[in-house]
Amino acid sequence: SQTIHQWPATLVQPVGSPLSLECTVEGTSNPNLYWYRQAAGRGLQLLFYSVGIGQISSEVPQNLSASRPQDRQFILSSKKLLLSDSGFYLCAWSLTISNTGELFFGEGSRLTVL
Amino acid sequence: DAKTTQPNSMESNEEEPVHLPCNHSTISGTDYIHWYRQLPSQGPEYVIHGLTSNVNNRMASLAIAEDRKSSTLILHRATLRDAAVYYCIQETSGSRLTFGEGTQLTVNP
Repeated sequence: SQTIHQWPATLVQPVGSPLSLECTVEGTSNPNLYWYRQAAGRGLQLLFYSVGIGQISSEVPQNLSASRPQDRQFILSSKKLLLSDSGFYLCAWSLTISNTGELFFGEGSRLTVL
Repeated sequence: DAKTTQPNSMESNEEEPVHLPCNHSTISGTDYIHWYRQLPSQGPEYVIHGLTSNVNNRMASLAIAEDRKSSTLILHRATLRDAAVYYCIQETSGSRLTFGEGTQLTVNP
């Protein structure tokens, strides 16, 4: 069966520090991968998605970047965090980008920038 | 991005049916409707999706209006574990799922 792992689960970082969140998927090949962010009490905002190794699409301009160095690994990074980067970050995968594909989410990483 | 409209919150009593409405007036003929729900401090989980016909699964039923401009997620017997934020998403073909604010469902014992 397929599983998705995200880490770290929580972190507190000072403004201006770097960030690296990792996500890996097991039990499937060539998944579509996504990074979402959720501010407190709000809906999910799609940040990045990837249909293959090295292929990253950005949905919104921001202080963050994403990379996919391996088929089932998706990394969210920042060189210098802002206060507004605080939130709940969710990685997700799907088998297809078509409109019948189900999204499977990880447990999330809660980031607090101080 | 395609946008849906949902009530901010709804309340239900345990073991009673719940009807969660969603308006998607800009929907086109090939756009699917997806429903997800999110428990506190967890990632969303898939509930159901459909295109034109009503759909049933073990979690819920999805009733889609004939003109497809609205749909209703039906939980046949609400339990306390169904308390969550429910997201209705209109997916345009080839695009990604965009989550709105959703409906916070409270289930009273």
